[in-house]
Amino acid sequence: GAGVSQSPSNKVTEKGKDVELRCDPISGHTALYWYRQSLGQGLEFLIYFQGNSAPDKSGLPSDRFSAERTGGSVSTLTIQRTQQEDSAVYLCASSLEWRLGTEAFFGQGTRLTVV
Amino acid sequence: SQQGEEDPQALSIQEGENATMNCSYKTSINNLQWYRQNSGRGLVHLILIRSNEREKHSGRLRVTLDTSKKSSSLLITASRAADTASYFCAPGSARQLTFGSGTQLTVLP
Repeated sequence: GAGVSQSPSNKVTEKGKDVELRCDPISGHTALYWYRQSLGQGLEFLIYFQGNSAPDKSGLPSDRFSAERTGGSVSTLTIQRTQQEDSAVYLCASSLEWRLGTEAFFGQGTRLTVV
Repeated sequence: SQQGEEDPQALSIQEGENATMNCSYKTSINNLQWYRQNSGRGLVHLILIRSNEREKHSGRLRVTLDTSKKSSSLLITASRAADTASYFCAPGSARQLTFGSGTQLTVLP
């Protein structure tokens, strides 16, 4: 597609429920990144994929968070047993490849509200 | 990864004026990117400057990079109300992209 696409754009969920966030990167981009931004905070790195593998999962806040990517394209970020502190905007970005010097392009984000 | 520190935290100017915001970082980089974010979402890539470049232009944007001082600046000329947003710098590659709190720019009509 023309840009990074994320869905849903907004999600309100009850505490304890599981949610799935989807990211469709720019066609041909092999690297994909997930970040989140809590209200008034800077961006927090969560995880990145090179192809279908995730060499760096260090940013995932807890074992309730997981992500996968299939076919080197679409990625889903799953949050199990959501907590109120999970409320944030979740941003996905993609780049042509992961190596130095590549530009990352971001989607519009998914605003997650846990009530 | 390293985080860029933007300065000032907030900047308020009149439409038509120029806006300058700065970014400092700690370790050597191969490139630095600037992003804009409106209303808490939707990061937009503005410009990437490589470590062997000192200055780069894109429309009304001018970015400088001083690797000896580990700093960068973003200049927006002839600002418009639509430029109101948060601006972030990101030193390093996409894989190492980490953002600070940004500079909140308000352009008053």
